Amino acid sequence: AQKITQTQPGMFVQEKEAVTLDCTYDTSDQSYGLFWYKQPSSGEMIFLIYQGSYDEQNATEGRYSLNFQKARKSANLVISASQLGDSAMYFCAMREGRFAGYNKLIFGAGTRLAVHP
Amino acid sequence: DVKVTQSSRYLVKRTGEKVFLECVQDMDHENMFWYRQDPGLGLRLIYFSYDVKMKEKGDIPEGYSVSREKKERFSLILESASTNQTSMYLCASSQGGQFSYEQYFGPGTRLTVT
Repeated sequence: AQKITQTQPGMFVQEKEAVTLDCTYDTSDQSYGLFWYKQPSSGEMIFLIYQGSYDEQNATEGRYSLNFQKARKSANLVISASQLGDSAMYFCAMREGRFAGYNKLIFGAGTRLAVHP
Repeated sequence: DVKVTQSSRYLVKRTGEKVFLECVQDMDHENMFWYRQDPGLGLRLIYFSYDVKMKEKGDIPEGYSVSREKKERFSLILESASTNQTSMYLCASSQGGQFSYEQYFGPGTRLTVT
């Protein structure tokens, strides 16, 4: 069965430093997609970054980058130059191959990031 | 600006009541989803719909039903609310097709069943 694992329930980082949030996945599909979402305390889910399984380059979006290691089945999120506003819950998700056209996602349990001044 | 709206941010209901949670999207998306979010469990899919009147069970459909009579609207129904359905409920929508598209989320409804 497809699964997403986020092993860090909570992380903290000093402002302006970089932080890596871990995500490993399990799938037998060749074609899949990996997403990261941010959920601030207000509750809305904000899409951050996407990596396709056939993408050769690691995805980047501003201060966010995705460290994609296909052989290890990991898709870690790297946030550079952390800001206080980065304090939030972060979820890793994977598009299920069987329902590719439906864009059905499986989510991990999440990592709560606290950025300290 | 894309938008998914949910009918209530907070809702308090009594055990046994029938509860309706409404979700509307203005992006003409084919796919719509209902999740519940509980601490330590992430988001779990209750039901999704890939077209009007079409629906598929997710991972935890028991105790829930859904309705999609119009493309923009997806309703979650708790036929007889129970205390273990106290949770945050999130609605989302996405484009359909062969490529991966992100899901857009509503602000969530925090439901308390007493």
